[in-house]
Amino acid sequence: EAQVTQNPRYLITVTGKKLTVTCSQNMNHEYMSWYRQDPGLGLRQIYYSMNVEVTDKGDVPEGYKVSRKEKRNFPLILESPSPNQTSLYFCASRRMGLSNQPQHFGDGTRLSIL
Amino acid sequence: DAKTTQPTSMDCAEGRAANLPCNHSTISGNEYVYWYRQIHSQGPQYIIHGLKNNETNEMASLIITEDRKSSTLILPHATLRDTAVYYCIVSPNAGNMLTFGGGTRLMVKP
Repeated sequence: EAQVTQNPRYLITVTGKKLTVTCSQNMNHEYMSWYRQDPGLGLRQIYYSMNVEVTDKGDVPEGYKVSRKEKRNFPLILESPSPNQTSLYFCASRRMGLSNQPQHFGDGTRLSIL
Repeated sequence: DAKTTQPTSMDCAEGRAANLPCNHSTISGNEYVYWYRQIHSQGPQYIIHGLKNNETNEMASLIITEDRKSSTLILPHATLRDTAVYYCIVSPNAGNMLTFGGGTRLMVKP
């Protein structure tokens, strides 16, 4: 089954304790992206990657890092999490090329930073 | 990306067609119209997209006006499981970022 898989689905942690949220897709998509969703603010892009070793900032990159060492994986790293990063996070992927292929989203990761 | 305007909420009777409008009066010639939905904090689910022609798939139909300044998503026979927030997004052909606004909260009632 074609899917985008995020782990963990839920995490409660404390300020300053480094954490990584993993994202993996099995559709051989070139493009992958991370979003955060907050009440009243909609979905905002954090980082995206158009292929292996190619990453770029989205709208709200501060406090986050990403890496794209393999095509299928795109982890989101919070080196020193803070309470304002408490949010619902989504990973997405899509095929690049013609016809502007739609993005497919994972089921989300709910992070609470205390 | 062009800004979109959608009603905040709509109701629809189960089994009837749900017609969700979207205004995108500043859309550019190379921007597609996408529709996604989100069911109670699950990941956004892709529904359909189009450029200028009307489109239909197994989930819905998309009607785009001739001037492309507005569109309508049609769920032909709404079920209770179609209750969700529906987002209309416009994005250029080469674009990668999707900006989700407030969307329309569709409530399908028995």
